[in-house]
Amino acid sequence: DAMVIQNPRYQVTQFGKPVTLSCSQTLNHNVMYWYQQKSSQAPKLLFHYYDKDFNNEADTPDNFQSRRPNTSFCFLDIRSPGLGDAAMYLCATSRGDSGGYEQYFGPGTRLTVT
Amino acid sequence: RKEVEQDPGPFNVPEGATVAFNCTYSNSASQSFFWYRQDCRKEPKLLMSVYSSGNEDGRFTAQLNRASQYISLLIRDSKLSDSATYLCVVNDYKLSFGAGTTVTVRA
Repeated sequence: DAMVIQNPRYQVTQFGKPVTLSCSQTLNHNVMYWYQQKSSQAPKLLFHYYDKDFNNEADTPDNFQSRRPNTSFCFLDIRSPGLGDAAMYLCATSRGDSGGYEQYFGPGTRLTVT
Repeated sequence: RKEVEQDPGPFNVPEGATVAFNCTYSNSASQSFFWYRQDCRKEPKLLMSVYSSGNEDGRFTAQLNRASQYISLLIRDSKLSDSATYLCVVNDYKLSFGAGTTVTVRA
């Protein structure tokens, strides 16, 4: 019973070619998050949605955009991927964004940029 | 100074051993704390929340020391399946992740 689903699991894109990663959830959680995680590093929060309210982290590059058309789905768009954007992209959900609630992660999309 | 710091390890222990490690955090106003487990190339999964009075879940015990601003995780009777990276997560109005402590349990 997958609760947070990410597609695709592996994505290869060319330098500069736009790519979209998707996330869906069956938990009916209010908050959806996108993280970037590189090898041996902590997950880095890119942005999150509380319902339809978008919250961008100050150091998230403009190259990264997100859309949340409804409660269940959230997309991460990388407009012009660079080699440094190769990473695991994790989607997570939680009931609220006070941080007191646990986050549930999807399996991630591993992005390779060639 | 990083918001959340962990000893990266690795901690290599034999099956049945006890292993413990800490995580320090910089914001004294942090409200809640979690330990997540992450297997190689997989997503983080919640292991346990950390309560002020300390809490135990089977072989896992978590402690919080607010005065010294650290949390700890202790694993008793280690199993091979406990091999993973353990992420310390601290809520200071957003979740801040440590880079993880790697534990390897050998037969």
